[in-house]
Amino acid sequence: GAVVSQHPSWVICKSGTSVKIECRSLDFQATTMFWYRQFPKQSLMLMATSNEGSKATYEQGVEKDKFLINHASLTLSTLTVTSAHPEDSSFYICSASAGAAFFGQGTRLTVV
Amino acid sequence: GQQLNQSPQSMFIQEGEDVSMNCTSSSIFNTWLWYKQDPGEGPVLLIALYKAGELTSNGRLTAQFGITRKDSFLNISASIPSDVGIYFCAGSSSNTGKLIFGQGTTLQVKP
Repeated sequence: GAVVSQHPSWVICKSGTSVKIECRSLDFQATTMFWYRQFPKQSLMLMATSNEGSKATYEQGVEKDKFLINHASLTLSTLTVTSAHPEDSSFYICSASAGAAFFGQGTRLTVV
Repeated sequence: GQQLNQSPQSMFIQEGEDVSMNCTSSSIFNTWLWYKQDPGEGPVLLIALYKAGELTSNGRLTAQFGITRKDSFLNISASIPSDVGIYFCAGSSSNTGKLIFGQGTTLQVKP
């Protein structure tokens, strides 16, 4: 299947700082990528749709100014968690479609 | 909004047993997907279903896309310890790749 790579795998940051997570499609181009959030023992919840060359589309209840998404190329989307707080601690996962949707390895964010 | 109801929530079985889990929805989906997620990892695609009534196998896994487009099941035959993990169904009603996920089924296999 297609390969989606996410970086970093885990990050610990201080409250109030910003964290950037990268999502790359390694062997295909993706005009659209998706960002999900997963809390422990829960399912994946879609946060936003990342569109290459245009603004991201956010799901209801997701703050666009807090979760900044940039999709500057056909193989890279970034999610920046701005002014992170402990409640932002979660597992963030991206996906891109090559026929079916393929997921990155996920990023464990811990805000202390 | 659209929701997927996945059951059972968890299963604890003996190695060698067969397993079945399913997802239902009140909405129609064009695509059904089944994923497995290990702790600390992203979901890995197991089977993708694109046509109503489609029955697809991948090794010991078999999944079917319901005729009504509102349900799907996943069967695992002759389970082994490495089948342990969380299985998610996911549905898409568009061609964008946007997915709605079920709540997940946690599978534990006793050697």
